[in-house]
Amino acid sequence: EVQLVQSGGGLVQPGGSLRLSCAASGFTFNSYAMHWVRQAPGKGLEYVSGIGSNGNDRFYADSMKGRITISRDNSKNTLYLQMGSLRADDMAVYYCARDRSSSPGHFYYFMDVWGTGTAVTVSS
Amino acid sequence: DIVMAQSPDSLAVSLGERATINCKSSQSVLDSFTNKNYLAWYQQKPGQPPKLLIYWASSRESGVPDRFTGSGSGTDFTLTISSLQAEDVAVYYCQQYSSSPSLTFGQGTRLEIK
Repeated sequence: EVQLVQSGGGLVQPGGSLRLSCAASGFTFNSYAMHWVRQAPGKGLEYVSGIGSNGNDRFYADSMKGRITISRDNSKNTLYLQMGSLRADDMAVYYCARDRSSSPGHFYYFMDVWGTGTAVTVSS
Repeated sequence: DIVMAQSPDSLAVSLGERATINCKSSQSVLDSFTNKNYLAWYQQKPGQPPKLLIYWASSRESGVPDRFTGSGSGTDFTLTISSLQAEDVAVYYCQQYSSSPSLTFGQGTRLEIK
């Protein structure tokens, strides 16, 4: 079964840091680009970041650029999002998602498999 | 960034009736080279992650019931559910990927049973 299992969310103080993880199974992880999308409480979806299948191509939304780093460890089938200088408006459920394209090095930029999400709460 | 605007914000439809959700982009998402519209639709049920329904504006994802149809081109798109079922209650989002990697979503349309 194709799965993305997320971990690493939780409560962090303003200005703090957090690393989210997304463990993939059931598919050839190193063939797929991956993405992070977030959803603030009661709000819509917002694109955060993406990374190519080999980790060489990385993209960031302007809203979080400079404060986040996306990475992946293909030997562990795991995607990461390192977040720092967190603010109240970063509070959201963060989803990892698989790019639809199964061609290594290629992106379609829409997502066909999603993790269950991990909640990030920013509060003192 | 390309701004995506959905209408209506919420919609109530009777079981078995047609539901129509609109999505308008601030710029065309039609690529003249590929002749494809870079537009996807997702369904999100309460407490669940989004689910891909439609991509390239009208291609149905595997396993998605054929009552879901995507149409449109350029800047105006529609998701139609031909005969509403109880399990279709959800929020629906459109997403453009024309200006990748700057991806943007519509604000969502909440679909309920009348």
